[in-house]
Amino acid sequence: RKEVEQDPGPFNVPEGATVAFNCTYSNSASQSFFWYRQDCRKEPKLLMSVYSSGNEDGRFTAQLNRASQYISLLIRDSKLSDSATYLCVVFRNTGGFKTIFGAGTRLFVKA
Amino acid sequence: NAGVMQNPRHLVRRRGQEARLRCSPMKGHSHVYWYRQLPEEGLKFMVYLQKENIIDESGMPKERFSAEFPKEGPSILRIQQVVRGDSAAYFCASSPLSSEVTGELFFGEGSRLTVL
Repeated sequence: RKEVEQDPGPFNVPEGATVAFNCTYSNSASQSFFWYRQDCRKEPKLLMSVYSSGNEDGRFTAQLNRASQYISLLIRDSKLSDSATYLCVVFRNTGGFKTIFGAGTRLFVKA
Repeated sequence: NAGVMQNPRHLVRRRGQEARLRCSPMKGHSHVYWYRQLPEEGLKFMVYLQKENIIDESGMPKERFSAEFPKEGPSILRIQQVVRGDSAAYFCASSPLSSEVTGELFFGEGSRLTVL
C-alpha cells in the first residue's frame, strides 16, 4: 500500500463547477500536510498548507482529519487555468525527514 | 532571482553513458532533495542531503545511482551506465532549516533525461 493515496483521475469538469479531491495517508506520525499543483512538464509548486482547523485561500479550501488520516481539497468556481495535476503531500520527521508525494489527480476544466 | 537552479534542463545520453545532474539550492537553504518522475507517474523520493551529508537515501536504486552535496558547489545526482528505464524528469528541491518542522519544499524546473 502506498503511503499517500489519492483519487484516481482524471476529473473532467466544466468551468464554474465545484470539484473535490481526496487523499489518505497511512503513517500516523505524519505531521505536516500540503497540496501542490503541477502543470504539464513543469515543477510542482505549493498551492496551500493544510491545517486541522481547515483553511481557505480564495476559491480553494483544504481540510485535514487526523483521526481518519484524510485530507481534502475543494475548488469552487473552477477556471480553465485550474487545469493541472494536484498532488497531496505529507511530511514526517520520523525515520528520516521525508516529504512524500501522492501520485496526483489530474484535473481538466473545460469551457 | 535566487530560486532553485537545475542544469542541464535537458540531457540526452546513450545506453551505458554517465549522466550528471546539478542542483543549486535557494540561497540560505541547507537541505536538498532529489525526486524522480517517470512519464505519467508521481514524484518518487530518491535522496535527502545536507552539506557533506547524506541524511536519507532510502529511495535511491542500489546500483548506478549516487548523490552528493559538497561543502562548496551544487548538489550532484550521478547515474552511471544509464539504461532506457532511467529516462525521466529529475527534480531537485531545497528547504531552509525551518522546514524540518514544516516540510515545505521549493522545486527547481527539473532536468529531463532521455536515454537512447
